[in-house]
Amino acid sequence: AQSVTQPDIHITVSEGASLELRCNYSYGATPYLFWYVQSPGQGLQLLLKYFSGDTLVQGIKGFEAEFKRSQSSFNLRKPSVHWSDAAEYFCAVGPFGNEKLTFGTGTRLTIIP
Amino acid sequence: DAGVIQSPRHEVTEMGQEVTLRCKPISGHDYLFWYRQTMMRGLELLIYFNNNVPIDDSGMPEDRFSAKMPNASFSTLKIQPSEPRDSAVYFCASGLAGGLRGELFFGEGSRLTVL
Repeated sequence: AQSVTQPDIHITVSEGASLELRCNYSYGATPYLFWYVQSPGQGLQLLLKYFSGDTLVQGIKGFEAEFKRSQSSFNLRKPSVHWSDAAEYFCAVGPFGNEKLTFGTGTRLTIIP
Repeated sequence: DAGVIQSPRHEVTEMGQEVTLRCKPISGHDYLFWYRQTMMRGLELLIYFNNNVPIDDSGMPEDRFSAKMPNASFSTLKIQPSEPRDSAVYFCASGLAGGLRGELFFGEGSRLTVL
């Protein structure tokens, strides 16, 4: 069965500092991996996705993520966070495409001035 | 496009009442998903449709829950009778197979409170 672990429930970062959100997955084959962001009171929005090829993928809003098969990880990074990045971030894994995505429990990001 | 539209945005009801949540997916999308979000269980997939046909309803918690998609532009999630433990935010999402595979477009959710 596929699963996703986001070990950090809540992270606080100063504005302008770098960010890394952790995601570990369990899946028996080559996974399709995603990062979504949820602002308060809103639905989820796709930040980026990995299907194959280059293991470093770029997304919207200046985010990037690196797929490391040996570590079963797909960590999300941003070199300099902005106050508007405060939100909840979800990692997800699926067998292919968008069918039966499994989401992690999310990491809440707080930005301090 | 207006995106995925859900209604109502908020619903407060009493235990035992019937609740119907509605969703209009993005035009042209061939997948539709219903998710439930709670603090305790996170995001759970309840059911999804492909071309209006239910493909997997293994996430539907029990027989009190039912979902329909009578046409490509409308879906409902019904709870009858409702219970306090059904209180959650219910999200509808739509998506495409093929080239845009993997991107789900979520509605803003329907927050349900069962008293």
